[in-house]
Amino acid sequence: ILNVEQSPQSLHVQEGDSTNFTCSFPSSNFYALHWYRWETAKSPEALFVMTLNGDEKKKGRISATLNTKEGYSYLYIKGSQPEDSATYLCAPLLGQNFVFGPGTRLSVLP
Amino acid sequence: DTAVSQTPKYLVTQMGNDKSIKCEQNLGHDTMYWYKQDSKKFLKIMFSYNNKELIINETVPNRFSPKSPDKAHLNLHINSLELGDSAVYFCASSLGTSGVQETQYFGPGTRLLVL
Repeated sequence: ILNVEQSPQSLHVQEGDSTNFTCSFPSSNFYALHWYRWETAKSPEALFVMTLNGDEKKKGRISATLNTKEGYSYLYIKGSQPEDSATYLCAPLLGQNFVFGPGTRLSVLP
Repeated sequence: DTAVSQTPKYLVTQMGNDKSIKCEQNLGHDTMYWYKQDSKKFLKIMFSYNNKELIINETVPNRFSPKSPDKAHLNLHINSLELGDSAVYFCASSLGTSGVQETQYFGPGTRLLVL
C-alpha cells in the first residue's frame, strides 16, 4: 500500500498570516512530486513539480521544499490572502503512478 | 478555449446500465489519465494512456475500460454500473510520457450518480 499523508487535514488562518503544511510519502521508488491547488467546484491546478532532493520552488508567495531521503515536502504560503483558500494536494510519482494525498484544506479568513 | 473538457458534466443512471464519459484535450498532449474522486474526496488514478502504453491501476474493476479513438480523446466506458461507482471522475492530460516533469491539466470533472 502506497501511503501518502498530508497534514494538517484542514487549517484556518487569518489574512496576512504565513502558514505551511506537510506532505509525507514513501521514499522508495520515488521519481517526482507534484503540488496542486484545488479550489471548490474547480479542477486541480498545478503549482510545482519537484524531483531532486533539496529542491526548492517558488511562485509568488507560495514556495515548496522537497526531501526525498526522508520522504516529505513542505508547502509554505507567506502572507495568506482569502484567494489562497483551497485544498492543496501533493502527488508523488511512485513507480508508474501518481498517488494523490488527501489534501490540506486551507481557509483564509479576511 | 477549454484545454481539457469532459462530457457530460452530470450523469444520473440506473444500476446495471452501461455508460461512457468523454474526454478531449486540445493541448497536443501525448498522455491522458482518468481519476476517480472517492467518497473521502481522495483522487485515485484509474488509467494513464498514451499511444504506446496503457497503464492500469490494478484495483480498477474490469468493468471500466478506457477507449482512445485518437491522441486527443480518452473516453471512459463503464459496464454494469454499480452503486459504488457513484463518484466524480476527472480526466487529465500531460505533455509527454515520462511522468516525472509532466504537469497534468485536469478537466472539470463528471459527477456520476448511480441509482
